[in-house]
Amino acid sequence: DAGVIQSPRHEVTEMGQEVTLRCKPISGHDYLFWYRQTMMRGLELLIYFNNNVPIDDSGMPEDRFSAKMPNASFSTLKIQPSEPRDSAVYFCASSREGSLSGYTFGSGTRLTVV
Amino acid sequence: AQSVTQLDSHVSVSEGTPVLLRCNYSSSYSPSLFWYVQHPNKGLQLLLKYTSAATLVKGINGFEAEFKKSETSFHLTKPSAHMSDAAEYFCVVSRRGTSYGKLTFGQGTILTVHP
Repeated sequence: DAGVIQSPRHEVTEMGQEVTLRCKPISGHDYLFWYRQTMMRGLELLIYFNNNVPIDDSGMPEDRFSAKMPNASFSTLKIQPSEPRDSAVYFCASSREGSLSGYTFGSGTRLTVV
Repeated sequence: AQSVTQLDSHVSVSEGTPVLLRCNYSSSYSPSLFWYVQHPNKGLQLLLKYTSAATLVKGINGFEAEFKKSETSFHLTKPSAHMSDAAEYFCVVSRRGTSYGKLTFGQGTILTVHP
């Protein structure tokens, strides 16, 4: 089992550019979560999917952020246009059977917007 | 609604001494509780979880936690700290027994282990 795979590991981009973060969940997991981690705010849930359907996107900061899950093995988080305050580590996590089984996190994407 | 409070932002211990990381939770529902560890520049790793069975939960690397409903606590302990335990630890709560899988994270406790 390769775990949750995120790409890229690091991303440096200029303000105003589009950024796309990618996640491959563990096969068979039916929940997928996107979290953002900053020093100031800690870990924040941005959005989560169940069976590829977005369930709760109330944590998405603004319309510049969008997330998709076109199939059970792939999800993207897109920021357009990016701003310096979006700099953070973005984690993807997946789980099976909701919250009962624990979550497996990816290694994260460290985004720096300059 | 649910929330988690980790009572210490930093804990410092000497190698070989006990570790205690404190966590209190609040939940309108029967909770599931987790502890995750994050080593520098790494993702989060599940240490242990409480879902509804035994209130004393044993996890990896010698850690354990006890669910105390009367105190709404889920403190993490280890009898003897190792240098490799230095990391940030997160207490996490979610709603048990439903398909609503949202996790709520505490602010984290940074554990420092001195030789």
